[in-house]
Amino acid sequence: GENVEQHPSTLSVQEGDSAVIKCTYSDSASNYFPWYKQELGKRPQLIIDIRSNVGEKKDQRIAVTLNKTAKHFSLHITETQPEDSAVYFCAASRTLYSSASKIIFGSGTRLSIRP
Amino acid sequence: GAVVSQHPSRVICKSGTSVKIECRSLDFQATTMFWYRQFPKQSLMLMATSNEGSKATYEQGVEKDKFLINHASLTLSTLTVTSAHPEDSSFYICSAISGGGNQPQHFGDGTRLSIL
Repeated sequence: GENVEQHPSTLSVQEGDSAVIKCTYSDSASNYFPWYKQELGKRPQLIIDIRSNVGEKKDQRIAVTLNKTAKHFSLHITETQPEDSAVYFCAASRTLYSSASKIIFGSGTRLSIRP
Repeated sequence: GAVVSQHPSRVICKSGTSVKIECRSLDFQATTMFWYRQFPKQSLMLMATSNEGSKATYEQGVEKDKFLINHASLTLSTLTVTSAHPEDSSFYICSAISGGGNQPQHFGDGTRLSIL
């Protein structure tokens, strides 16, 4: 079945440095890749997403890259700040035009920003 | 926009009790809602997909008689945990989207269920 692998499980970076989280997916038909940020006890919040027709997308300090051939996508956070500390989930889904697609989540990365 | 309200936020009850959790889309019509379960420090596990007016589609390993899902309107889906036991204690969270195809899911705040 569909599977999304995410690495690393924990990541600690110095404030101001960059953080990179990597994911791979198994379903070659996947064409939508959202990233969610979840703070302790709160709802996941969409921070950026990318569709398979582009290879990179950027929103201020956050960027996502997609390599469809390798079935690999990554989240890049630059100039990290303390408020970036949270758990980040990658996800992948495949469009089903007759109904909504389900999203398969990665296992999560706990990002800690050291002051 | 795209606000999803989930209620209650926390439930503590005795073993054997049935618990109902509501998920409402406040400012859009949710044709599809998803129910997830999340254990501490783990990822979101999809339990079922709920389409308005039809039976929910359950993921493998999820007991449909244990976790009853109803999506009777375009703004409300409910999850009932029947005859709950301590092993059902978890964080349950819903999400909703409007329309078909790939769209961002909008999550509720979650319900922390504790069965004594």
